[in-house]
Amino acid sequence: GENVEQHPSTLSVQEGDSAVIKCTYSDSASNYFPWYKQELGKRPQLIIDIRSNVGEKKDQRIAVTLNKTAKHFSLHITETQPEDSAVYFCAASIAGGFKTIFGAGTRLFVKA
Amino acid sequence: SQTIHQWPATLVQPVGSPLSLECTVEGTSNPNLYWYRQAAGRGLQLLFYSVGIGQISSEVPQNLSASRPQDRQFILSSKKLLLSDSGFYLCAWTGPTNSPLHFGNGTRLTVT
Repeated sequence: GENVEQHPSTLSVQEGDSAVIKCTYSDSASNYFPWYKQELGKRPQLIIDIRSNVGEKKDQRIAVTLNKTAKHFSLHITETQPEDSAVYFCAASIAGGFKTIFGAGTRLFVKA
Repeated sequence: SQTIHQWPATLVQPVGSPLSLECTVEGTSNPNLYWYRQAAGRGLQLLFYSVGIGQISSEVPQNLSASRPQDRQFILSSKKLLLSDSGFYLCAWTGPTNSPLHFGNGTRLTVT
């Protein structure tokens, strides 16, 4: 089955700096890659997603890139703010399937 | 618009007691429904998913079971809770395949 690995597990940046979180997946049939943000004690919420027919997608300060050949995808947050502090999860969904498999999460700290 | 309701928000149960968590979705028909578990400080583990009434797929052999008695109702149960069943339980739904998960607010279960 699909396996998603996520790095780093913890990331600390200064306010205004950029943050990058990287994920790899194992099943080449995966074709949908969402990213979720989870604040302490709350539910995960979708922040951006990308499909395998696209190499990059951007939404204001957040961007995601996908390298299908290498089976890598990354989340980029620019001009980080303290409210970006949270746990971020990458995920992969297998084409034609119903399951979304998550990475282990990255705890992002943005220091003011 | 679609909404997902999950209850209770918190639950403290003794070892060996039964469990029933309920989730309902409004504003959509024939959703795919999911139960995820999140141990403290950990990632999201898929427990069960359902693509229709009475159709349940189990991802992890365990002390839990799931049922879908109605199109938009998903129930997670246990006959006898174990200490290891403690965690944050999240119900979620999706539309067609490869669409984002929409999570409920979660149930924090503590087994004592």
